[in-house]
Amino acid sequence: AQKITQTQPGMFVQEKEAVTLDCTYDTSDQSYGLFWYKQPSSGEMIFLIYQGSYDEQNATEGRYSLNFQKARKSANLVISASQLGDSAMYFCAMREGWSSGGSNYKLTFGKGTLLTVNP
Amino acid sequence: GAVVSQHPSWVICKSGTSVKIECRSLDFQATTMFWYRQFPKQSLMLMATSNEGSKATYEQGVEKDKFLINHASLTLSTLTVTSAHPEDSSFYICSALPRRGQGSSGANVLTFGAGSRLTVL
Repeated sequence: AQKITQTQPGMFVQEKEAVTLDCTYDTSDQSYGLFWYKQPSSGEMIFLIYQGSYDEQNATEGRYSLNFQKARKSANLVISASQLGDSAMYFCAMREGWSSGGSNYKLTFGKGTLLTVNP
Repeated sequence: GAVVSQHPSWVICKSGTSVKIECRSLDFQATTMFWYRQFPKQSLMLMATSNEGSKATYEQGVEKDKFLINHASLTLSTLTVTSAHPEDSSFYICSALPRRGQGSSGANVLTFGAGSRLTVL
């Protein structure tokens, strides 16, 4: 079974509108972290936002917010007031377990969603 | 913020040759670095975990003799694709985990390099 599922291969949004990118995850761990990364056509991976499994409040970072629904195992990314520069691939990722050792740090990525912002 | 430099950004080589890709953390120390591979329009797949001063840990299915990883210092890890073949053509991207106390986020956020696009003719 896939650990991270992103069901939207592509999404379109009008400039200045909000868009939600879906992400569901599968884990039996109690401690885990959820991340969203943006990958423009240049290829670099840009960290956007993080949500810990024990965080009670949804994470927010500027125009990005994470709609965390633990019982449903979903961690959707909401981008408000879309901009043309938001056009990119967006990856949801999960880190399972919570050990202090770096060697135990593994991110599992979803297949990504290609977001296109139309003017 | 944390910056990871990856070099070269793109490389073309002949089949049978070896190619080295460098990954450097510029403003922080990284005891652990990670190497990912990404095929066109696909997700990132972890190849190996590189630990400073010790042998790399490879994911299942990744040939350690083909993808040599050396983490010689707290700021540098290298990936060498040995005897490259066309099927090794891919986008290789590294990431680094700040040493404890150096990260800006309690989540220990990975910082990624810009990636290296390898084309083997």
